[in-house]
Amino acid sequence: QVQLVESGGGVVQPGRSLRLSCAASGFAFSTYAMHWVRQAPGKGLEWVAVISSDGSNIYYADSVKGQFTISRDNSKNTLYLQMNSLRAEDTAVYYCARDPDAHYGSGPMDVWGQGTTVTVSS
Amino acid sequence: DIVMTQSPDSLAVSLGERATINCKSSQSVLYSSTNKNYLTWYQQKPGQPPKLLIYWASTRESGVPDRFSGSGSGTDFTLTISSLQAEDVAVYYCQQYYSTPYTFGQGTKLEIK
Repeated sequence: QVQLVESGGGVVQPGRSLRLSCAASGFAFSTYAMHWVRQAPGKGLEWVAVISSDGSNIYYADSVKGQFTISRDNSKNTLYLQMNSLRAEDTAVYYCARDPDAHYGSGPMDVWGQGTTVTVSS
Repeated sequence: DIVMTQSPDSLAVSLGERATINCKSSQSVLYSSTNKNYLTWYQQKPGQPPKLLIYWASTRESGVPDRFSGSGSGTDFTLTISSLQAEDVAVYYCQQYYSTPYTFGQGTKLEIK
């Protein structure tokens, strides 16, 4: 079945780095754009970044631009989010989501993972 | 950035009654060349990821019960649940995918009266 499984979350000190992964299965990963969306505790959804199917188009939220890097390895059916210089306000559940608009990721997010929790705390 | 504003923030409706949630965008999300509204609705239950309900403002995702419907165009949109069921208790979000950053509304919490 179609599935996205995030991993890599945990507790990290402010200023440190973390890399999240999202393993895809059950569909042709290389033909979909992919997003990261986060949700701070008790808060709403915040879009973080999108990458096109071939990695040629990438966009970020202003809140993470220059701090986070989205990437993908289509040979491994895996999406990544490299998070540097982490701050308390980056504490959230991070979800990856699939987008059928392969070229620009300008489509509905039709499949979501269960999320991985990142806690930034000293 | 396009700001998405939902109303109300919370809503209590009796079982079997109609629930209506509104979403307003700060600029049009209707793309003229495709004549499509780049607007989705998601449902999120506690402890679960969001689930896609409606896309292109009015197209129901496969498997979504037909009591859920979306309407509107341009800047004003509505999610309607025609006959509320107990399993519909959740937070509902609208989101625009017209332009980056792809912004969400603040969410509407739907409860049973």
